[in-house]
Amino acid sequence: GQNIDQPTEMTATEGAIVQINCTYQTSGFNGLFWYQQHAGEAPTFLSYNVLDGLEEKGRFSSFLSRSKGYSYLLLKELQMKDSASYLCAPRGKLQFGAGTQVVVTP
Amino acid sequence: SQTIHQWPATLVQPVGSPLSLECTVEGTSNPNLYWYRQAAGRGLQLLFYSVGIGQISSEVPQNLSASRPQDRQFILSSKKLLLSDSGFYLCAWSLTSGLANEQFFGPGTRLTVL
Repeated sequence: GQNIDQPTEMTATEGAIVQINCTYQTSGFNGLFWYQQHAGEAPTFLSYNVLDGLEEKGRFSSFLSRSKGYSYLLLKELQMKDSASYLCAPRGKLQFGAGTQVVVTP
Repeated sequence: SQTIHQWPATLVQPVGSPLSLECTVEGTSNPNLYWYRQAAGRGLQLLFYSVGIGQISSEVPQNLSASRPQDRQFILSSKKLLLSDSGFYLCAWSLTSGLANEQFFGPGTRLTVL
């Protein structure tokens, strides 16, 4: 997506932690979504941040800094089923990042 | 509860043939509706969105068109497919309180143009 930057791919082992960063343009910003997309499937909602700080939801946490135009998704205690693409989507932009492919190895 | 349907699930079409993909939503009224395309290994590209019956906004110039004949029906069409139209087509809906709220995606249609 335009003006939304995420790493292309990250590899980690089972049980590890991975942090996926996302930077975006701050104009017209009104919150940020993270979606998970398994290969060949539709994206599904993971989290929504509208205020600065960390939102924790089980093994997944999402952080937002509005002034820096920066967010990250933190995946803890990685499981094989977490292998998927993770998409960053600033609300109000109708755009998604190209996604970060996370590969979890045994 | 709300559900979103897309069909067909897969489609193989020759170059130059027409296309019609259908998306319907159940369990909600006056949703915002979206069509996305995802090329292999790439991100989501917004093609069209609609905030109401007969209201279509196009994001990317192309040989595709969209229509919304009913409140919960969104159709993606082409008169003549190109090879570059191959991809994974996703329909999505969101609540009407502003664009780009949380979006709920249909199962997608995988289109291969030969």
